[in-house]
Amino acid sequence: ETGVTQSPTHLIKTRGQQVTLRCSSQSGHNTVSWYQQALGQGPQFIFQYYREEENGRGNFPPRFSGLQFPNYSSELNVNALELDDSALYLCAVAGQRNTEAFFGQGTRLTVV
Amino acid sequence: AQTVTQSQPEMSVQEAETVTLSCTYDTSESDYYLFWYKQPPSRQMILVIRQEAYKQQNATENRFSVNFQKAAKSFSLKISDSQLGDAAMYFCAYGSMDSNYQLIWGAGTKLIIKP
Repeated sequence: ETGVTQSPTHLIKTRGQQVTLRCSSQSGHNTVSWYQQALGQGPQFIFQYYREEENGRGNFPPRFSGLQFPNYSSELNVNALELDDSALYLCAVAGQRNTEAFFGQGTRLTVV
Repeated sequence: AQTVTQSQPEMSVQEAETVTLSCTYDTSESDYYLFWYKQPPSRQMILVIRQEAYKQQNATENRFSVNFQKAAKSFSLKISDSQLGDAAMYFCAYGSMDSNYQLIWGAGTKLIIKP
C-alpha cells in the first residue's frame, strides 16, 4: 500500500471527448509524474510537476495537460481524445529528492 | 537520448530456482539511476531494486540482486529461490541524476513461475 490513489480506476470515452484523471497522495509528496502505458508496452513519461509547476515533459502533444494543487493532488487532462490514447495512465509521487517514487494503481482509459 | 532495451519478452522458471532478467541501456551521462520494477496484475508498479551508477557495488534486496556492468551498459536482475508471488511483468527503467522521476522504461519481461 503506497498511499497513492488514482481515480477513476476505469473509464470509457468517445473519440473527440475530454477526460480528467486524478491522483492523490499523502502530504509531503511534492513531485508527481504521469505516465502512459499502452497495452503490452512499458510506460512512457508524459510530464512531471514539482510544487505546482511543470518541470519536465515527454514527447506528448499539448492536448495532454496537467495541474498540481497545493494539497499535492494532481490532474491529467486530455483533450480531443484519439483511439491511440487508450492506455493505462499511471501517476508516481515522490517526496525528498532522489527518494523512491510511489505509484498508484492506474486509470485504464478506453477510447471508442 | 537515453534508451532501455529488454530483449526477453517472456521468461519462465521453476519454483525455488534462480532466473536472470536482462536489460541494456544507452546513455551519454556518467551518473544516473537504474531501476527494476515489478507490475503484477493489480497494475501497480512496485520498486524491486535500485542502483546508483556511481556505486560500484551491485545492489541487493533479499532474494533480488543485480549485475550492473557500467561499461557494457548492462543491468540484469537475478531472482533467487523464485516464488509463485514473483510472477509478474518486470520493467527495467533509467533515471538521470537531475530528473530521476522522469523514467525511461524498457518494454518489460513477463516472468512465469512454474509450480
